[in-house]
Amino acid sequence: GQNIDQPTEMTATEGAIVQINCTYQTSGFNGLFWYQQHAGEAPTFLSYNVLDGLEEKGRFSSFLSRSKGYSYLLLKELQMKDSASYLCAVTDSNYQLIWGAGTKLIIKP
Amino acid sequence: IAGITQAPTSQILAAGRRMTLRCTQDMRHNAMYWYRQDLGLGLRLIHYSNTAGTTGKGEVPDGYSVSRANTDDFPLTLASAVPSQTSVYFCASSGGTGGSYNEQFFGPGTRLTVL
Repeated sequence: GQNIDQPTEMTATEGAIVQINCTYQTSGFNGLFWYQQHAGEAPTFLSYNVLDGLEEKGRFSSFLSRSKGYSYLLLKELQMKDSASYLCAVTDSNYQLIWGAGTKLIIKP
Repeated sequence: IAGITQAPTSQILAAGRRMTLRCTQDMRHNAMYWYRQDLGLGLRLIHYSNTAGTTGKGEVPDGYSVSRANTDDFPLTLASAVPSQTSVYFCASSGGTGGSYNEQFFGPGTRLTVL
């Protein structure tokens, strides 16, 4: 079966750095997405990785290792507005997105 | 319209009633999707459409039907609602299919409660 694992919840302090991990087992791999979802709102796109390595976009970075079936999202200089759920999703061999359950990130002052 | 709209925003429905959730996009995207999101579970695909005139079943299609008469609209119908269909429903679209980069854009969601 297809499976994507992420921690259910994480807590971090404003101004700090946090790393959210995602491991996946899917039928094929055609890219990995990270989305952000604030409570009561729709998911919004954060990053995309299809090749191994680190993609940096401002305070957010995403890393991919295809051989390990592993990705992480790194958030730097945390702000209160970063409190949200972070969803990992993998494009499988049929080009359908398989979604993880999401990681709820709580930022404390 | 800018992006994807969904209607209604929320709805309380009696079990056994028929309900259609509406979704419209103005980005001329080929592919559209319907997901449900339940607490503790990831987004689960109900139905999708790769292009106007075609539809396909996702992970949890039972009790739902869709149609794609044109590029812009992708309604989701619950023929006879049951309490287990209480959920938040998201419509999404993407520019193409068959390619690895397939960023999906989401509508604001419909919160449905079936009593």
